[in-house]
Amino acid sequence: GESVGLHLPTLSVQEGDNSIINCAYSNSASDYFIWYKQESGKGPQFIIDIRSNMDKRQGQRVTVLLNKTVKHLSLQIAATQPGDSAVYFCAENPPGQNFVFGPGTRLSVLP
Amino acid sequence: SQTIHQWPATLVQPVGSPLSLECTVEGTSNPNLYWYRQAAGRGLQLLFYSVGIGQISSEVPQNLSASRPQDRQFILSSKKLLLSDSGFYLCAWRTGQVMFFGSGTQLSVL
Repeated sequence: GESVGLHLPTLSVQEGDNSIINCAYSNSASDYFIWYKQESGKGPQFIIDIRSNMDKRQGQRVTVLLNKTVKHLSLQIAATQPGDSAVYFCAENPPGQNFVFGPGTRLSVLP
Repeated sequence: SQTIHQWPATLVQPVGSPLSLECTVEGTSNPNLYWYRQAAGRGLQLLFYSVGIGQISSEVPQNLSASRPQDRQFILSSKKLLLSDSGFYLCAWRTGQVMFFGSGTQLSVL
């Protein structure tokens, strides 16, 4: 993903609403993907992963969707809470290579 | 369970001073270990990775070096820090597919 410098894309949602965060990945050969959550001043925290042989995977309040045709990944958070406020970024893993990370999206939950 | 320890959490160093950041992993054997740097508002930049003791791969030529003296220990060093070395440094480990990160070190070079 291309970095947008200090101005990360921001998604603002009302508390209780659902959030959808998107990620475009670059390598059509990537066969494994992870979504991370990073709070200010902390290390990234694993949220959910998905392999390329799947198009959907659900966790607790989170769902990841994979569209390999358009190289698109999304993270859906149900009933967004204030504690969900953070930067979310995706990571793609081409076979035999290291992860490539997107620049992230800042999620802001409004009271 | 596996845990990763990274320290210090914050560090303020003058230009030209040396650097040593340490990372240790517990609860796993022969992990792949990584050092990343994250500038404010940007994605993660891979600096070094290691697949075993004494094996270091450098992704970006720069003022830093890395060493892996033990299976679960990864050290990031510099002999003389530059202003441009400021940033948030993250250690990570991986044994299967998933990658886990440490808590990070915020380095300010003044």
